[in-house]
Amino acid sequence: KNEVEQSPQNLTAQEGEFITINCSYSVGISALHWLQQHPGGGIVSLFMLSSGKKKHGRLIATINIQEKHSSLHITASHPRDSAVYICAVVLGGATNKLIFGTGTLLAVQP
Amino acid sequence: NAGVTQTPKFQVLKTGQSMTLQCAQDMNHEYMSWYRQDPGMGLRLIHYSVGAGITDQGEVPNGYNVSRSTTEDFPLRLLSAAPSQTSVYFCASSIYVTGNTIYFGEGSWLTVV
Repeated sequence: KNEVEQSPQNLTAQEGEFITINCSYSVGISALHWLQQHPGGGIVSLFMLSSGKKKHGRLIATINIQEKHSSLHITASHPRDSAVYICAVVLGGATNKLIFGTGTLLAVQP
Repeated sequence: NAGVTQTPKFQVLKTGQSMTLQCAQDMNHEYMSWYRQDPGMGLRLIHYSVGAGITDQGEVPNGYNVSRSTTEDFPLRLLSAAPSQTSVYFCASSIYVTGNTIYFGEGSWLTVV
């Protein structure tokens, strides 16, 4: 079983829909990152969370440390949001290591 | 600010050859790391560094070597390339491992034949 699980693996939405991508982890962490990877490979950092909720534009990320779960929400989705969204956790303690989920492939159709 | 510069973007190697993937950042970040990305798998940590002169192994270090002689540079060396090392490689940096933003290089597509 992977230490970081994302769901769904693939998601197709219509433009304007509200989208939720989930990330569950089974290890102790000190922080969690959400990343976006566009076709062609470039990876962009969206959020880093250690508690609570963060919002940037149409993107909202939440984390529940007790339940070991995080969600990424996209409001009013747009075709330009089509990408792979990746959850990565920073292992707790002094390990200095990140473990990544396998990503969620999002396609937003006009 | 160039961010994280990673070279080369594409490379084809023959089995047994060695090569170095270059990674440089100009943001004075302490934490730098190398990952490989394979189909159906998440990015996996190869090696990382928390500062000049300090490196450590990640999840999949075998067949790779790193050094960190300066804060700016973190090259990844393939010692004797094998077809199993065919992958996309990403270098990343951040202020600390828990830094708010991780900056990634554009990736290096490596094929070992």
